[in-house]
Amino acid sequence: QKEVEQNSGPLSVPEGAIASLNCTYSDRVSQSFFWYRQYSGKSPELIMSIYSNGDKEDGRFTAQLNKASQYVSLLIRDSQPSDSATYLCAVNTVIGSSNTGKLIFGQGTTLQVKP
Amino acid sequence: DAGVTQSPTHLIKTRGQQVTLRCSPKSGHDTVSWYQQALGQGPQFIFQYYEEEERQRGNFPDRFSGHQFPNYSSELNVNALLLGDSALYLCASGSYNEQFFGPGTRLTVL
Repeated sequence: QKEVEQNSGPLSVPEGAIASLNCTYSDRVSQSFFWYRQYSGKSPELIMSIYSNGDKEDGRFTAQLNKASQYVSLLIRDSQPSDSATYLCAVNTVIGSSNTGKLIFGQGTTLQVKP
Repeated sequence: DAGVTQSPTHLIKTRGQQVTLRCSPKSGHDTVSWYQQALGQGPQFIFQYYEEEERQRGNFPDRFSGHQFPNYSSELNVNALLLGDSALYLCASGSYNEQFFGPGTRLTVL
């Protein structure tokens, strides 16, 4: 079983719709979770971090965390063609009770927003 | 305030050669991590440096080595290059909670 799993997609949504990206992780003690956006040929850009169960909103982005189900999601409201990119879910590894800064990434989900 | 910087942007090497990639962390960051990203995959952790020491290492062979300097900048060295080492090499700096990536170095091994 992979440590962090994402559906590779592509996920195609029309402009203005809500895009929903999902991620599951295997290590129950993980404490911090991240979403990175990566445009083709570029490096990953941190767009959301979440540490507690529930929702965290930032502009058009909402991250959701459910530690009991080991599930993280990213919602993008009012999707724009400029949101077309690969979205990477990352989980911080833990030793003892401390984050280590070693991130485990999923393979990424490609999002296509069609005008 | 400059973010994470990396050099060079692109490199082409042949099998068996050695390569050195360089990274300067964002101002105020003292921890540097290196990742390898193959085409179509998520980044994979190579190692992490803090206070000039390797603190953690991923599942990479000893051909991959690194160094951190007193000014927190870092180098990644890869010896005896293989075709499979062709990838985007990413440097990240930040805290143990949030990390920010540089633009990467695209390495092509022929």
